[in-house]
Amino acid sequence: AQTVTQSQPEMSVQEAETVTLSCTYDTSESDYYLFWYKQPPSRQMILVIRQEAYKQQNATENRFSVNFQKAAKSFSLKISDSQLGDAAMYFCAYRINQGAQKLVFGQGTRLTINP
Amino acid sequence: KAGVTQTPRYLIKTRGQQVTLSCSPISGHRSVSWYQQTPGQGLQFLFEYFSETQRNKGNFPGRFSGRQFSNSRSEMNVSTLELGDSALYLCASSFQSRPSYEQYFGPGTRLTVT
Repeated sequence: AQTVTQSQPEMSVQEAETVTLSCTYDTSESDYYLFWYKQPPSRQMILVIRQEAYKQQNATENRFSVNFQKAAKSFSLKISDSQLGDAAMYFCAYRINQGAQKLVFGQGTRLTINP
Repeated sequence: KAGVTQTPRYLIKTRGQQVTLSCSPISGHRSVSWYQQTPGQGLQFLFEYFSETQRNKGNFPGRFSGRQFSNSRSEMNVSTLELGDSALYLCASSFQSRPSYEQYFGPGTRLTVT
């Protein structure tokens, strides 16, 4: 069974600084997707960034980038120039590239931004 | 384009009752997935519907069921409610049932079972 582990229940960072959230996963599949989702206090889950396993290049979206290490099964999220609006729960998620739209989520990391 | 809407937003039920939650996907989206979110178990996949067919179901008892209508709106039903069913229920829609298509989440329905 696929599992996703986020070892940092809480993280904090100073505004404008850089923070990295960790995620590891376990799968025997070779074709899959990895995601980072953000869930602000208002509860609406938003996709932050997506990585396809067969692509070696790390995905980036503005201030958000990932470090995807397929062999190590590691998928960390780096947030640069942290802003107050980045405060949220961040969930790492995995989905095999076939079958239903079933996301397997980690337990989440609560990110606090200190002004 | 309107986002994913879920009704009701909050619900209080008593043990043993049943409940129906509704999810209206983004216009044109045919896939609707449901997730249960609790502090203890985190986010867990319940099921996905695509073109009125259930594609997959998570590890939940038969008390949890769902359906999808021809307009892609989806409902999930929980019968014989238990205290442990208290959770935030999220639905997500996407255009196709493929990971290359982004899933958009609704605000959730907060169910409290007393």
